[in-house]
Amino acid sequence: QSGLTQPPSVSGAPGQRVTISCTGSSSNIGADYDVAWYRQLPGTAPQVLIADNNNRPSGVPDRFSGSKSGSSAFLAIAGLQTEDEADYYCQSYDISLNSWLFGGGTRLTVL
Amino acid sequence: EVQLVQSAAQVKKTGESLEISCQVSGYSFPDYWIGWVRQMPGKGLEWMGIIHPGDSETRYSPSFQGRVTFSVDTSMRVAYLHWRGLKASDTALYFCARRSPFSNLFDYWGPGTVVTVSS
Repeated sequence: QSGLTQPPSVSGAPGQRVTISCTGSSSNIGADYDVAWYRQLPGTAPQVLIADNNNRPSGVPDRFSGSKSGSSAFLAIAGLQTEDEADYYCQSYDISLNSWLFGGGTRLTVL
Repeated sequence: EVQLVQSAAQVKKTGESLEISCQVSGYSFPDYWIGWVRQMPGKGLEWMGIIHPGDSETRYSPSFQGRVTFSVDTSMRVAYLHWRGLKASDTALYFCARRSPFSNLFDYWGPGTVVTVSS
């Protein structure tokens, strides 16, 4: 149902790097709308990790980085730590729906 | 400090009405859009819609249009989410969130209100 597609899960060992993709379309990411990334721990509110495709808010470690290419966006997490285990969501705006959109979410497991 | 405080968990019966609230502090309430987001048990985030407290302009996600109503009380700095005729499928965690003034993201979030609807 979501207009932004994320892999349901990714995993990596401590210290490794993982990338989470967010695939949209020509009416959202491809229409040059910015992408934000959020991290959510169970039962808590999402927190902004990446704003405007690749900007880290104050307090977010530089292990987290965002990028965008065409109709897709990517969140990279370097130097995985056990505390990175969480659900990650991308978010953008869709001009044809006149709606904000969230991706379906990706659960990161640190092995 | 920007804060969004949401009302307590609610347990309702199908067909009943419900209003939950989101009280803000730490910034100028009329100037920033407030969005509502649903998270059903074990599922992802769904954008429900958004309201501008300054003029009560609202935009609803097509998935929620006609099912919910947003409103605000600017004197009390509170945003409301209202249902008439609750369904079991409305059981979820509901977040309010402030839209950033500089981009299309939501920069501050309330802790969420759990709504449980049973028959």
